[in-house]
Amino acid sequence: AQKITQTQPGMFVQEKEAVTLDCTYDTSDPSYGLFWYKQPSSGEMIFLIYQGSYDQQNATEGRYSLNFQKARKSANLVISASQLGDSAMYFCAMRDGFSSGSARQLTFGSGTQLTVLP
Amino acid sequence: DTAVSQTPKYLVTQMGNDKSIKCEQNLGHDTMYWYKQDSKKFLKIMFSYNNKELIINETVPNRFSPKSPDKAHLNLHINSLELGDSAVYFCASSRLGSDEQFFGPGTRLTVL
Repeated sequence: AQKITQTQPGMFVQEKEAVTLDCTYDTSDPSYGLFWYKQPSSGEMIFLIYQGSYDQQNATEGRYSLNFQKARKSANLVISASQLGDSAMYFCAMRDGFSSGSARQLTFGSGTQLTVLP
Repeated sequence: DTAVSQTPKYLVTQMGNDKSIKCEQNLGHDTMYWYKQDSKKFLKIMFSYNNKELIINETVPNRFSPKSPDKAHLNLHINSLELGDSAVYFCASSRLGSDEQFFGPGTRLTVL
């Protein structure tokens, strides 16, 4: 069984500072993918970043980077130079290699509500 | 321009009714999904479907059924609605073999 844990229900960060959102996962499959999604108050789900289990380097997308520590089974999201518009709920998710067959179902964590302070 | 669209955006209905939520994607993707987000914001997969297989999460009541008239559509039918069905339902799609899923805007269902 796979599991995603986000231990921070809420986080605050000052504008222009960096913030790390924690995510740990549990899977016995060697092939898996890790994702971060952003959900602003308007409700849509916005894909941010992806890390494959075999990727050698940490994923980066603009101000977002994923701190992937495979041995620790953690995939923390780092947002640099926070902006007011970054205030949202952030979800970590995982797709494993086998249990979802040819369809790649995602399992989500409980989310972290990030508030950026001016 | 909309990649994954859902209708309606809001749905308010009485307990016991039958309702449908429509989902369409214009990305040419092969696989579509339905997720449920409850009042605590927890997101859970309900179904995934491509032209070869339907995978149903075992916790989904059989009152819920996905119907796919073609590759671009995966509609969600719900029979005998219950109060606990109130949630936001998200449709998503992906290319076969790709990990990235594109989500629709969500449908907020309220059962009275």
